[in-house]
Formats: sequence, C-alpha cells, structure tokens
Amino acid sequence: GAGVSQSPSNKVTEKGKDVELRCDPISGHTALYWYRQRLGQGLEFLIYFQGNSAPDKSGLPSDRFSAERTGESVSTLTIQRTQQEDSAVYLCASSLGGQVLNTEAFFGQGTRLTVV
Amino acid sequence: LAKTTQPISMDSYEGQEVNITCSHNNIATNDYITWYQQFPSQGPRFIIQGYKTKVTNEVASLFIPADRKSSTLSLPRVSLSDTAVYYCLVGVRLRRALTFGSGTRLQVQP
Repeated sequence: GAGVSQSPSNKVTEKGKDVELRCDPISGHTALYWYRQRLGQGLEFLIYFQGNSAPDKSGLPSDRFSAERTGESVSTLTIQRTQQEDSAVYLCASSLGGQVLNTEAFFGQGTRLTVV
Repeated sequence: LAKTTQPISMDSYEGQEVNITCSHNNIATNDYITWYQQFPSQGPRFIIQGYKTKVTNEVASLFIPADRKSSTLSLPRVSLSDTAVYYCLVGVRLRRALTFGSGTRLQVQP
C-alpha cells in the first residue's frame, strides 16, 4: 500500500480482555517495528521484526505481550489480560531493512488503546 | 546503541531560526544520524539524515562536526506548524532497532 496502515485506529476494551492490534507495512519493507507511546511521553520500543523473525523483542514489557509477523507482511501485536497501564497509542513502523544502512522508517497513525 | 541527549523543550517565535542540538558521544563508525518530527496524534515522520558535515533538504539542515559526537538540526524561519516533538536517532543499521529518546518539544509562538 501507499503507507503503513494500522487497525483499529481506536480500541476501548475492558480490563482483563485480550486485544489484537494489526499493522500492514509498506509493501517490500522487510523491517517492522512496534512502539508504545503513553500520553505526553516518548516512544517506547517493543519489538523489531526482520522478515518474519524477531531478533529483538527486548522491549516487550511482560509475557502478556506477544507479536507475530507472517508472509514478511502483516504483523499482529497481542495483549492478553489487558490492564489499565496498557492504555497508550501503539505505533507500527516499517523500513527497507536488509543491507541498507541509512534506512528511513515510515510510521502508521497508531492504534489508541484505552483499557477501562 | 548510541545514547542520545537533547533538550527537553525549546520555545521560539514565528520567523526565527531554531537550532536543536543532540549529543551522541559513543556514536559508532557506521552509524547515521537521523531526525524525526512528531505532531500530536500522529506517528513520527522522517525529516533528515546525515553521516558527516552538512546536509540540507527542503525542510531543514543538519550540521555534524568532524568528531560526530553531536549534531544540530536547524529549522529556518519556523512557523506555528513547526510546533512538534523532534527526535534525534543514531544507528539505523541492519538488525538494530530504532531507539527513540525523549525528544525535544518545540513550541512556536506567534
């Protein structure tokens, strides 16, 4: 597609429920990133995919968080048993990756998650 | 990954030139320096990237001294629409995750 697409744009869920957030990267981009941004704060790295593998998942805050990527394309971030502290905007980005050193990352508009 | 340090906030007026400096003392030989801009309720957007000396595009200029331990983003004649958070990143290479610091919140006043 023309840009990185995330869905849903907004999600309100009850505490304890599971949520799935979806990211469609730019076609041909092998690198994909997930970030979390709490209100008024900076970006917090969650996980990085190169192709379908995740060489760096060091930012996942707990075992309630997981992510997968299939077909070197769509990625899903799953949060199980959501807590109020999970409320934030979840941003996805993609870049060419590969051997290119000076890669530019393109961000989606994010999914605003509110846990009530 | 190279750690970056930049001012938390800056204020300016329309028409002025704004310079935001970022320190990155442990930058690696192959690391690039990249700046992103983020408006409220939007994802960050790439502004400019450089390796050494000076880079200029239609939006900004990036000045990098010979030792590459710092860099300065220069925004000429800012307008109200330049009010945003500006992030300095170092080290966008294969298998290394982009790492954002806290950024610099620029407020442009009329």
